[in-house]
Amino acid sequence: QVRLVESGGDVVQPGRSLRLSCAASGFSLISYAINWVRQAPGKGLEWVAFISSDGSNEFYIDSVKGRFTISRDKSKNTLYLQMNSLRSEDTAVYYCAREGHGTKINSLDIWGQGTMVAVSP
Amino acid sequence: DIQMTQSPSTLSASVGDRVTITCRASQSIDSRLAWYQQKPGKVPKLLIYKASTLESGVPSRFSGGGSGTEFTLTISSLQPDDFATYYCQHCNNYWTFGQGTKVEIK
Repeated sequence: QVRLVESGGDVVQPGRSLRLSCAASGFSLISYAINWVRQAPGKGLEWVAFISSDGSNEFYIDSVKGRFTISRDKSKNTLYLQMNSLRSEDTAVYYCAREGHGTKINSLDIWGQGTMVAVSP
Repeated sequence: DIQMTQSPSTLSASVGDRVTITCRASQSIDSRLAWYQQKPGKVPKLLIYKASTLESGVPSRFSGGGSGTEFTLTISSLQPDDFATYYCQHCNNYWTFGQGTKVEIK
């Protein structure tokens, strides 16, 4: 079964760090581009970060550039989002989502269940 | 950056109604547009990709249209399961979502 499972969400103080994990099953992460998308409480979807299938390209929304970093562990088929210098406005449910192949390129066809990050004093 | 603007923000409708949601891009994006459905507390679900191609398993009452800068998501006959929030999304290295349209019961 094709799945993404996020973990690592927590309540943290402003300025602290957190690392989210996104474990894939049923497919290989090195064959697909993966995105992180977040949703603040009661708000819409906001794209956060992207890593290409071969890992050669990474893109980030301006508000997290220099603070968030994507990495991968191919042996564990797991993606990570390292979040440093967290701010209250980073509070959200974080989803990892797979970009489709072929005609589904530029769309997100598989989503994880999400993990909650709360940044609070 | 390309901005995506959805309208309306909220749509009140009854079961059986035909409803249309519009998504406008600030510049031409060809057909690089997807639509998602999200129910409260649930994960977003891909409905349509490449502007008009229905994702596998999505009911045929959903349809997408448009190209360039104006796109639509139409539900031909609204069903109880369709009351949700709908998002359009574009990708051009940076991914952008519309602000969402909540379809609520009239």
